[in-house]
This record gives sequence, C-alpha cells and structure tokens, in this order.
Amino acid sequence: EVQLVESGGGLVQPGGSLRLSCVASGFTLNNYAVSWVRQAPGKGLEWISALSASGFTTYYADSVKGRFTISRDTSKNTLYLQMDSLRVEDTGFYYCVKDRRDWGQGTLVTVS
Amino acid sequence: DIQMTQSPSTLSASVGDRVTITCRASQSISSWLAWYQQKPGKAPKLLIYKASTLETGVPSRFSGSGSGTEFTLTINSLQPADIATYYCQHYNNFPYSFGQGTKLEIK
Repeated sequence: EVQLVESGGGLVQPGGSLRLSCVASGFTLNNYAVSWVRQAPGKGLEWISALSASGFTTYYADSVKGRFTISRDTSKNTLYLQMDSLRVEDTGFYYCVKDRRDWGQGTLVTVS
Repeated sequence: DIQMTQSPSTLSASVGDRVTITCRASQSISSWLAWYQQKPGKAPKLLIYKASTLETGVPSRFSGSGSGTEFTLTINSLQPADIATYYCQHYNNFPYSFGQGTKLEIK
C-alpha cells in the first residue's frame, strides 16, 4: 500500500526558511515522479513543484521559482521541499503527490 | 503556461439530479486531464484521469469527457456523499495547473 507522510510544517516569520519532508512507503521514489501541491486556507489547489523519476529534472511554479528547492534522498525514500525567503502568501497546507492518485495528509505551513 | 478555467464556481443541486462541471484549458492538452474531489479537512481524491478513465473504486455515477480544450465532469444521480469541491488539473506539460474549483452544494 502506498503511503506518503509529510512533516516539517510550522510557524515561521516572513523571510524565514523551512524544510518539508515526505516519507514514502509502498513504492520507490527512484521509479516515480512526485510533486508538491499546496492549498492556502479556504482556497484552491496550486501545483508548485515536481521531481522527475530520475531525480535529475526539477520543475517549479513561477510563484516559488528561485525560492523553493525540491530534492530527494533515495536511501531514506524521502522527498524534500526546501522553502527559503518565505512570504505570507506561502501559508497553507502542503501535500506530496504521486501519480495524481496518492496524496499525503498534508503539513501546515504558516508564515506570519 | 496553460490556464485552466472551471465553471461554475458554485453549484446547488438536489439529490438525484444530474450535475455537470466544465473545465476549459487555454490551449490543447489532448486528454491529459484529471478530476479530483475534495471534502473539508481532507486531501483531494482522484476521480478521473486521462479525461474519461474512472479511477478504481470511484462510483460509476461519475464520468468525464472531452479532449483538446473542453472537458466535463458529470455526476449522474447526485448523492449526499458527493457534496465536496471538485477540481480539474491538466498534466500535459509543466506547470500542471488546477482549475479554481467548483463547490457543490445540496439544495
């Protein structure tokens, strides 16, 4: 059974940094592209970043390009999102997603 | 970048009704479109992928159609459990953008 468990969210001041983690089980990150999707409180879904199955290609939404970095540690089967220069508008739930069908429970980031 | 536009933003319908939600892409995305259902406090759930393929376990009252730039999600015989917000998302090329969502309410 595929499971994705995010962690690392919390309260941070504007301009600060956080690193989110997503521990994957039931599959190997080596074999799948995975994404981060976020949702501001009471708002819609926003795709923000993806990492190719090879791990060599990264993709970002314009809203986070240059500030966020997606990466993985295959030995830990864990996906990361390093978030720097955080802004108030980065507040929301952050989900990691595999294949569109498998979502984590989300981790809440509050920038205030 | 491809923009996705959903309509309507909110929809009120009665149990047993047939409901249709539309999603338009700003350029052709072939059939690379997914539909999701999201209930409050929960992660989104995949309903349909490749525009019309029903995800395993999703009730057959849900269906999707379309290709190119126009897509629809149809719910036949609306049930109380279908009250949720629905999103479309293209995955033709990065960035994989979502529609703004359609909130479905029971009359």
